[in-house]
Amino acid sequence: EVQLVESGGGLVQPGGSLRLSCAASGFTFSSYWMGWVRQAPGKGLEWVANIKPDGSEKYFVDSVKGRFTISRDNAKSSLYLQMNSLRAEDTAVYYCARRGAATRRACFEYWGQGTLVTVSS
Amino acid sequence: DIQMTQSPSSLSASVGDRVTISCRASQSIGSYVNWYQQKPGKAPKLLIYAASNLQTGVPSRFSGSGSGTDFTVTISSLQPEDFATYYCQQSYSIPDTFGQGTNLEI
Repeated sequence: EVQLVESGGGLVQPGGSLRLSCAASGFTFSSYWMGWVRQAPGKGLEWVANIKPDGSEKYFVDSVKGRFTISRDNAKSSLYLQMNSLRAEDTAVYYCARRGAATRRACFEYWGQGTLVTVSS
Repeated sequence: DIQMTQSPSSLSASVGDRVTISCRASQSIGSYVNWYQQKPGKAPKLLIYAASNLQTGVPSRFSGSGSGTDFTVTISSLQPEDFATYYCQQSYSIPDTFGQGTNLEI
């Protein structure tokens, strides 16, 4: 059974940093594109970042470029999102998600339960 | 960026109704559209991928169609568990973008 379990969310002040983690199990982690999708309170879904199976390609939504970094440790079947210079508008539930196939264009087939990040003073 | 415009934004329906939700892309995206269902406090769930393919385990009352710029998801006979918010997503080009959502309510 595929499982994605996020951790690392919490309350942080504007300008602060947070690192989200996603522990994956039930599939060959090193074979799949992975991503982060967020959802602000009461709002819709917003794609944040993608990373290629070997980590050699990374993509970000414009609003987080230069502030967020995505990485993975295939040996640990783990995905990470390093978030720096956080702003109030980054407040959201952050979901870890696995693509449906070994291609960037596949759907998000599996999702974690989400972790809440709140940016507030 | 490719904009995904969903309609309607909200929809009232009854058990047993046939319901269709539409999504229009701002440019041609082939069949790179996926549909998700989300219930309050839960993660999104994949329903339809690549425009018309039913995800394993999803009831056959759900179906998807379309290509190019216009896409739809249809629920042939609404069940109580189908009341939720539905999102389309394009995965044709970066950034992936989602529609604004359709809130399906009784």
